[in-house]
Amino acid sequence: SQELEQSPQSLIVQEGKNLTINCTSSKTLYGLYWYKQKYGEGLIFLMMLQKGGEEKSHEKITAKLDEKKQQSSLHITASQPSHAGIYLCGADIQGNTGKLIFGQGTTLQVKP
Amino acid sequence: KAGVTQTPRYLIKTRGQQVTLSCSPISGHRSVSWYQQTPGQGLQFLFEYFSETQRNKGNFPGRFSGRQFSNSRSEMNVSTLELGDSALYLCASRDGRSTDTQYFGPGTRLTVL
Repeated sequence: SQELEQSPQSLIVQEGKNLTINCTSSKTLYGLYWYKQKYGEGLIFLMMLQKGGEEKSHEKITAKLDEKKQQSSLHITASQPSHAGIYLCGADIQGNTGKLIFGQGTTLQVKP
Repeated sequence: KAGVTQTPRYLIKTRGQQVTLSCSPISGHRSVSWYQQTPGQGLQFLFEYFSETQRNKGNFPGRFSGRQFSNSRSEMNVSTLELGDSALYLCASRDGRSTDTQYFGPGTRLTVL
């Protein structure tokens, strides 16, 4: 089974709607990262979470970390077409390493 | 600061050949990690270099190798290319001294014919 499970795999929402993407780890999390990717391109860093209960926001995107559940969620409020892309969660499960494991990604489409 | 750069951006090779990809990290970053991304396997860690030493290695065959230079620039080499090596190869850099953010480059798209 996957060490990092991401859900849903794909999402189609109407512009203006809210949405949530989840990421669950089977291992202890030392750091949880959210990235966005346009198909075939590099990953754009969104947010990094380290401490249980930590919550960070940037513009209309909020990420939370539940350390007990080894789970993180990414919430987009009032989605826009510019939010479309592939969202990836990555996890450092060793501590202070450059090795991240990644979920399979969530493909988001926003319909105008 | 300039971001992570990778060259070349696109590459076409035939089976059996070898290929070298290059990555220049963000200025001041000493750690460079390499990843392979395919539709089937997703994003998988290849290896990490820190101060010219390999610090971590993923589960890939020995045909995949890398090195890091004193200026932190890194190269990745794949020998005896197979069709299954076709992928987007991404490198990422970070400071390397603590659990900190990895910043990714635009990737090199390798096609093996």
